[in-house]
Amino acid sequence: ETGVTQTPRHLVMGMTNKKSLKCEQHLGHNAMYWYKQSAKKPLELMFVYNFKEQTENNSVPSRFSPECPNSSHLFLHLHTLQPEDSALYLCASSSAASYNEQFFGPGTRLTVL
Amino acid sequence: AQTVTQSQPEMSVQEAETVTLSCTYDTSESDYYLFWYKQPPSRQMILVIRQEAYKQQNATENRFSVNFQKAAKSFSLKISDSQLGDAAMYFCAIMEYGNKLVFGAGTILRVKS
Repeated sequence: ETGVTQTPRHLVMGMTNKKSLKCEQHLGHNAMYWYKQSAKKPLELMFVYNFKEQTENNSVPSRFSPECPNSSHLFLHLHTLQPEDSALYLCASSSAASYNEQFFGPGTRLTVL
Repeated sequence: AQTVTQSQPEMSVQEAETVTLSCTYDTSESDYYLFWYKQPPSRQMILVIRQEAYKQQNATENRFSVNFQKAAKSFSLKISDSQLGDAAMYFCAIMEYGNKLVFGAGTILRVKS
């Protein structure tokens, strides 16, 4: 596979479930990102990882827990979510240097019942 | 803090015609990059064009060009000879030093045949 891949593409979960979103990049990048895209709102940056270290947490509730085991993989662990967390979750990667283009995955459409 | 405003929620253009999407931004930095990203209905976001703030010359990529007005903090995207494949959500974004992108709310572009 090439580029940035995300699995699953669609996820429906109850508020008491625990699930994980996976992102993998095949571009040799060393920075990875999670964004939340809700209807009629700008994309919201959630987390930034540079060289596997978290460098940004944009005041994200603790029910979202990211994990970056290496520069190619990024996870978002979900537990006790709320219906308002339903959204498209996008992963992106880039070179960690400033001003570089970010490459996006296709996203995971999450629905919380 | 950086902000990006896209005042046109939706735009329509006839195939082969030209359309301009508006974007204004706010930043206290003198060095930054501006981006236009396209998100087709399949949801994989791709970069359309980018502009370095220190460059006076407007960026151009084939049928896509920008009108960058630094003093006015304006960064519009012009699409010439519109094609059906141009139909998508278009996001304007700014990146100050580092690798954090701040996005606008997006403009849906519809192309009529």
